[in-house]
Amino acid sequence: GDSVTQMEGPVTLSEEAFLTINCTYTATGYPSLFWYVQYPGEGLQLLLKATKADDKGSNKGFEATYRKETTSFHLEKGSVQVSDSAVYFCALKKGGGNKLTFGTGTQLKVEL
Amino acid sequence: EAGVTQSPTHLIKTRGQQATLRCSPISGHTSVYWYQQALGLGLQFLLWYDEGEERNRGNFPPRFSGRQFPNYSSELNVNALELEDSALYLCASSLGQGAIYEQYFGPGTRLTVT
Repeated sequence: GDSVTQMEGPVTLSEEAFLTINCTYTATGYPSLFWYVQYPGEGLQLLLKATKADDKGSNKGFEATYRKETTSFHLEKGSVQVSDSAVYFCALKKGGGNKLTFGTGTQLKVEL
Repeated sequence: EAGVTQSPTHLIKTRGQQATLRCSPISGHTSVYWYQQALGLGLQFLLWYDEGEERNRGNFPPRFSGRQFPNYSSELNVNALELEDSALYLCASSLGQGAIYEQYFGPGTRLTVT
């Protein structure tokens, strides 16, 4: 079945450091790919998405490119802030069953 | 524009009881989804409703059920509660079907089974 694999956390960075959170997927067909963020005590917020190969999703300084050849959708940000501290989830969705399949989440902690 | 709302915020039940969780989608959204976020198990898809019908179901026992009302709001019922049902239950809605439509999540209902 479909699956998403994320790098293990927690990831601890200093403010203004470069962030990469790796995400790879296994799926048949052509899924859409998403990054969601969950702040402490809250639900999930959609961060960015890409619906086809080579698409780049971007939002709030975060970027991710849909790479079909490597089945990856790595999340990057050039300069993280303390306010970016949260759990980040990579997910895929295909049209048939419409469900999101999530990775296990990566906790990010940004320190001053 | 109001987002997805869920009630109650917290729910405490005893093993064997029934729990009812409610969700109101974003205005204009017809699809509602339920997910369970249990400690150590990650986010698992539970149910998808669209236009009042159950369209897809995750790998959960039949005691997890729900419905969608004519106004597109939804209810999740969990019967014969077990301790391992303790989790954050997240509801999401989307504008349409298909892989390109993103799902918008509510804040969740924290269910605790004692």
